[in-house]
Amino acid sequence: QKEVEQNSGPLSVPEGAIASLNCTYSDRVSQSFFWYRQYSGKSPELIMSIYSNGDKEDGRFTAQLNKASQYVSLLIRDSQPSDSATYLCAVNIHGGATNKLIFGTGTLLAVQP
Amino acid sequence: EPEVTQTPSHQVTQMGQEVILRCVPISNHLYFYWYRQILGQKVEFLVSFYNNEISEKSEIFDDQFSVERPDGSNFTLKIRSTKLEDSAMYFCASSEPAYEQYFGPGTRLTVT
Repeated sequence: QKEVEQNSGPLSVPEGAIASLNCTYSDRVSQSFFWYRQYSGKSPELIMSIYSNGDKEDGRFTAQLNKASQYVSLLIRDSQPSDSATYLCAVNIHGGATNKLIFGTGTLLAVQP
Repeated sequence: EPEVTQTPSHQVTQMGQEVILRCVPISNHLYFYWYRQILGQKVEFLVSFYNNEISEKSEIFDDQFSVERPDGSNFTLKIRSTKLEDSAMYFCASSEPAYEQYFGPGTRLTVT
C-alpha cells in the first residue's frame, strides 16, 4: 500500500514566524511531489511542486525534497493569518499512463495574529 | 487565469438515483481526473482519463461509476445508483502532459 504520511496538527505559529510542514512517503519510485493548500470547505489549491532533490523557492514558500529519506517538506516564511489552512502533501505515483496523486491527510496550520 | 469549473456546486439526491457531475477542464489540458473527499478524510483518487479513455481507476471506481468526455470541453462523472456512502465532495482536476494538476471547486454530493 503506497502511503503518504503527515502530522495532522494543528501546527500553531505566531504571525511572522516560519511554519515547517513535513511529509513522508513510502513508495521509492515516486518522482513528483506537490503541496496543496485547502481552506475549509474549498478545493485543493496547488502552491508548490518539486521534482528533484534539494530546495525550491517561490515567494514565501520553500519546498524541500530528500528522496533518499523519502521526505518532503514545506517552509512558509513570514506566516500570515491568511495562511491558516490545511496543507496537503501529494505524491505522483507513476504507473503506465496515469498521473494519479496520492494525498496525505493534511496538516492544519493555524497562524496566530 | 484559466481554471477548472464544476457544476453543480451542490447536488442532493436520493439513494438509488443516478447523478451526473460535470466539469470543464482547462482548455489546453489533456489529462483529466476525478477525486473525492469524504468529510474529514483525505482526498482520494477515483479515475484518470487521457486520449478519450480511462488510463487508471481506483478500487472505489466500481461498475456504478463511469466517465465520459461527450464533447471537446466537458468531462462528466456518472454514478448510476447512488449509495449513502457516496456522499462526499467530488473534485475534477486537469493537467497538461506535465504533472501539475489543477482542481476545480468541487461538487458536494449528498445522498439521502
